[in-house]
Amino acid sequence: DAGVIQSPRHEVTEMGQEVTLRCKPISGHDYLFWYRQTMMRGLELLIYFNNNVPIDDSGMPEDRFSAKMPNASFSTLKIQPSEPRDSAVYFCASSTGVLSYEQYFGPGTRLTVT
Amino acid sequence: GENVEQHPSTLSVQEGDSAVIKCTYSDSASNYFPWYKQELGKRPQLIIDIRSNVGEKKDQRIAVTLNKTAKHFSLHITETQPEDSAVYFCAASPPLTGTASKLTFGTGTRLQVTL
Repeated sequence: DAGVIQSPRHEVTEMGQEVTLRCKPISGHDYLFWYRQTMMRGLELLIYFNNNVPIDDSGMPEDRFSAKMPNASFSTLKIQPSEPRDSAVYFCASSTGVLSYEQYFGPGTRLTVT
Repeated sequence: GENVEQHPSTLSVQEGDSAVIKCTYSDSASNYFPWYKQELGKRPQLIIDIRSNVGEKKDQRIAVTLNKTAKHFSLHITETQPEDSAVYFCAASPPLTGTASKLTFGTGTRLQVTL
């Protein structure tokens, strides 16, 4: 298995632009998590899905952020409009959930908003 | 919700020495405590975990201890090597209740192993 796949790996955009981050979880994993990592705030859980359904989005910072999981093999995190304070590394992770607590992280997307 | 505090934020040890990182948690219902290692520019990866029904777990040079009464757990690395240099995160999770564990991470410890 290729592991969790994220794209793009790097994204540089101007303030006000829409940004879409993509994630493909490990096949067979029922749970998908989106995290944001910054020096100031560490690793923050933004939202997680179970069987494509959002379970907890309490970490989503504001309405500018939205996440979808249209099927078991694909999820997106969208920021519209983007702001410089959104600059961070965004990780997607997946797990089997019931069988194992372990979360497998993707390589991350480094977002820079200028 | 759960709050996880981690200390120290940075730790420098000489190769061969031991390193200890400590975490405390607030939710007495939490029962799963993983440790993740993140090398520079890489993704976090699980290195060891412990569940609340045991007090200690060991895997070669790394070990984790858990004190449920005091609500703290620690990572111990013995005979440190340069490749142990990384940021280490502790986390805590409530019991699985039909949904996946929601990990709350500590703020991380940057470990530097010097020659």
